[in-house]
Amino acid sequence: GAVVSQHPSRVICKSGTSVKIECRSLDFQATTMFWYRQFPKQSLMLMATSNEGSKATYEQGVEKDKFLINHASLTLSTLTVTSAHPEDSSFYICSAPFRSSYNEQFFGPGTRLTVL
Amino acid sequence: KQEVTQIPAALSVPEGENLVLNCSFTDSAIYNLQWFRQDPGKGLTSLLLIQSSQREQTSGRLNASLDKSSGRSTLYIAASQPGDSATYLCAVLGGSYIPTFGRGTSLIVHP
Repeated sequence: GAVVSQHPSRVICKSGTSVKIECRSLDFQATTMFWYRQFPKQSLMLMATSNEGSKATYEQGVEKDKFLINHASLTLSTLTVTSAHPEDSSFYICSAPFRSSYNEQFFGPGTRLTVL
Repeated sequence: KQEVTQIPAALSVPEGENLVLNCSFTDSAIYNLQWFRQDPGKGLTSLLLIQSSQREQTSGRLNASLDKSSGRSTLYIAASQPGDSATYLCAVLGGSYIPTFGRGTSLIVHP
């Protein structure tokens, strides 16, 4: 299957700093990528749809100025958590649909963010 | 708005049992349905994808069926093993091409 990577896998930062998370499709091009947030023992919450060459589409209740998304190329999307606070601590996961395989979703391994 | 429900929420079984996990969705106008496995602290691993025109897919001990008209899918796990312990999620892809996830079934297979 197709491979999606995420970097970093784990980050610990101080309150007030910004953190950038990268999501890459390694062996296919993705004009669309999805960013999710997951709280312990809960399902995925879609945050936004990242679109290559255009602005991201944010889900209701997600602050676009807080969670900046940039889809820089057909293989890279970044999520920047600006001025992070402890309540932003969570597991962030990205996915990309592999259009050559009926839009099968492939997920990155996730990034554990801890804000102190 | 599409809603996806997974039953049961949790399941604990002895090794060797055959299992059925259920997924139901409210809007039958789907493009595909995908089953995933998630281990604690990890990303999601794709298990099976069923296109809307298909009725089932098989991979090893896993078999997934789809009844689009009734809005149901089942994931059948044969001869369960402790290594199958994980959370299983189903996701439905509709016309918006944005997947909608269920809350998952947490499975524990004990030796």
